[in-house]
Amino acid sequence: QQPVQSPQAVILREGEDAVINCSSSKALYSVHWYRQKHGEAPVFLMILLKGGEQKGHEKISASFNEKKQQSSLYLTASQLSYSGTYFCGTENSGGSNYKLTFGKGTLLTVNP
Amino acid sequence: EAGVAQSPRYKIIEKRQSVAFWCNPISGHATLYWYQQILGQGPKLLIQFQNNGVVDDSQLPKDRFSAERLKGVDSTLKIQPAKLEDSAVYLCASSFSGDGQPQHFGDGTRLSIL
Repeated sequence: QQPVQSPQAVILREGEDAVINCSSSKALYSVHWYRQKHGEAPVFLMILLKGGEQKGHEKISASFNEKKQQSSLYLTASQLSYSGTYFCGTENSGGSNYKLTFGKGTLLTVNP
Repeated sequence: EAGVAQSPRYKIIEKRQSVAFWCNPISGHATLYWYQQILGQGPKLLIQFQNNGVVDDSQLPKDRFSAERLKGVDSTLKIQPAKLEDSAVYLCASSFSGDGQPQHFGDGTRLSIL
């Protein structure tokens, strides 16, 4: 089941904050977040495991709500370099056949 | 450390022709993935290898797509014959192990079918 990301696109001015959501219709075991710039490879940001933990990476952090089957990515004081498409990849089983299903992505544009 | 290497970077072929993509993962990474990314979509897993064995190929169109990782290192993905809907970026990724480790992606091969 493909996770649903919202919003589909967001435009910010430098220094503004944004939240990107990733929802699954099935129970989540883990959520991976990646950023992809146009014509480039997706770059790993962070992994969250079930347990409701929050992780941080510079001014980018994420949370995992097991009950809501949802993860959110928080970008604070956005920089021009944050522009790109953000994908969440979800894993539902945590078993030996661990595989990610990616959402359709959220296009983030940060303007000066 | 060197990243995931893929070639070619771009490929243009006509429908019904065949094409092959090559991937060399990060040294020491046991798990290798091939994804298809259609414009405006997220990556879709085609096949996952653990060393030289297939872990998952449930979304691989086996009538036209094949992949191998013979010595548990580099891998080849082939399409024969190609269809117009195969136009996409084919991404290779690797991870140290397949149990939730971060996946590191190559730059991909952009395939255009005429």
